[in-house]
Amino acid sequence: EAGVAQSPRYKIIEKRQSVAFWCNPISGHATLYWYQQILGQGPKLLIQFQNNGVVDDSQLPKDRFSAERLKGVDSTLKIQPAKLEDSAVYLCASRLLAGALAYEQYFGPGTRLTVT
Amino acid sequence: DAKTTQPTSMDCAEGRAANLPCNHSTISGNEYVYWYRQIHSQGPQYIIHGLKNNETNEMASLIITEDRKSSTLILPHATLRDTAVYYCIVRVWQTGANNLFFGTGTRLTVIP
Repeated sequence: EAGVAQSPRYKIIEKRQSVAFWCNPISGHATLYWYQQILGQGPKLLIQFQNNGVVDDSQLPKDRFSAERLKGVDSTLKIQPAKLEDSAVYLCASRLLAGALAYEQYFGPGTRLTVT
Repeated sequence: DAKTTQPTSMDCAEGRAANLPCNHSTISGNEYVYWYRQIHSQGPQYIIHGLKNNETNEMASLIITEDRKSSTLILPHATLRDTAVYYCIVRVWQTGANNLFFGTGTRLTVIP
């Protein structure tokens, strides 16, 4: 079974520039998450989708961050404009929606963003 | 969600059992205990979860105390590939919003 795919793996930009990350979840997984992981900390949820609808975006800095999942499959996360404190690893995860075995989230390898 | 407390770091000799403790004294009756781990430069990986009974799978065992205020993740025969940050998370399982709240975890180093 293919895992969660993310691209790019690494990105370096200057502050005030824009950047976009892409995620392809495991086939059939209705729930998709974006997490931000700052160095030395655990991942922090930014946004959760169920199919193409937003379930929770309470932690997303909406003045600069946006995310979409138009067809209920792939998702993109955008930062515009980037700040120095946005330097982090951005992780995408997916989960099978229904059923008793739907406990675990599967994570992608992440995109490491450096803002200079 | 109940908070968890884990040691910052632990060492374990290769081939020995690694016992990783977690305190969750404010856990409520419908909250599960999840364990994930994160190997360097990878995304977190699910290990095991439990409600009140002890659980075992191919990766690890989870021992939950009778009062559910603490738990221990056991890796029975640690290998160098088990070196990672281990996260203990307490969360109500529900079909809707089921995001995870990660703390800083325990950094386990397996020593040859």
